[in-house]
Amino acid sequence: AQKITQTQPGMFVQEKEAVTLDCTYDTSDPSYGLFWYKQPSSGEMIFLIYQGSYDQQNATEGRYSLNFQKARKSANLVISASQLGDSAMYFCAMRDSGGSNYKLTFGKGTLLTVNP
Amino acid sequence: EAQVTQNPRYLITVTGKKLTVTCSQNMNHEYMSWYRQDPGLGLRQIYYSMNVEVTDKGDVPEGYKVSRKEKRNFPLILESPSPNQTSLYFCASSLTRLAGGPDTQYFGPGTRLTVL
Repeated sequence: AQKITQTQPGMFVQEKEAVTLDCTYDTSDPSYGLFWYKQPSSGEMIFLIYQGSYDQQNATEGRYSLNFQKARKSANLVISASQLGDSAMYFCAMRDSGGSNYKLTFGKGTLLTVNP
Repeated sequence: EAQVTQNPRYLITVTGKKLTVTCSQNMNHEYMSWYRQDPGLGLRQIYYSMNVEVTDKGDVPEGYKVSRKEKRNFPLILESPSPNQTSLYFCASSLTRLAGGPDTQYFGPGTRLTVL
C-alpha cells in the first residue's frame, strides 16, 4: 500500500511568492519521521527539512517550513519567497519503524517551476 | 567534508556485462541503502545494510547483489544487467539511533545507468 501521496505532479509559482507542496502519509506506527528532499535538474537529492511525529511545533529551516497536521496525516512543505533556484522536483518521504529497515518511503514527487 | 560518493556517475553498458557501482561514505554511518529512481515511480529501495556483513532485500532486489565488508563501502553489483535496469541509482547512508528520529539519510550524487 502506498504510504506517501503527493497529489500535485506539477506546480507553478511566481518569483517571491509563497508556495505549498502537499504530502499525505499513512502509517500505524506512532513513531515516524517525515522528510522533504529537493532534486534539481542536476539530479542530486538535497535534504531540506525533517518533522518528527512527536514534535509539538512545525519544523522550519530558513525559507522552508513544514505544515504538520498529525490528525489529517499531512506534512505539507511551504516555501516562502520563492526563488528561481527553487525550480526542482520535490519529494516527501517517511521513515517509520518498519521492522529493522530504516528505509525512506518516497512519494512520486512534485515538479515545481518558479516563474520570473 | 561529510559525503557519500558514487562511481561511476554515468555508465552505458550492454546486456549481460557484469558491472559494479561503488558507494562510499565518510560519516561512520551504520546504515546504507541503494535506491533506484524511475520516472513516475519515485525512489524505490533495492537493498540495505544495517552494519558490516548485515544486508537485506528492499522492495526491488531482483537482478542485484550487494556486499558490506567494510563500514564505509556498499557496492551494488549487477551480475547480468538487462535493459529494465536502466535507471538512476542512489546510494544513501544514515545513523540509526531511532527509526522516527531526525537521522537524515544522505544521498550520493547518483549514477545514471543505461543498459543497451
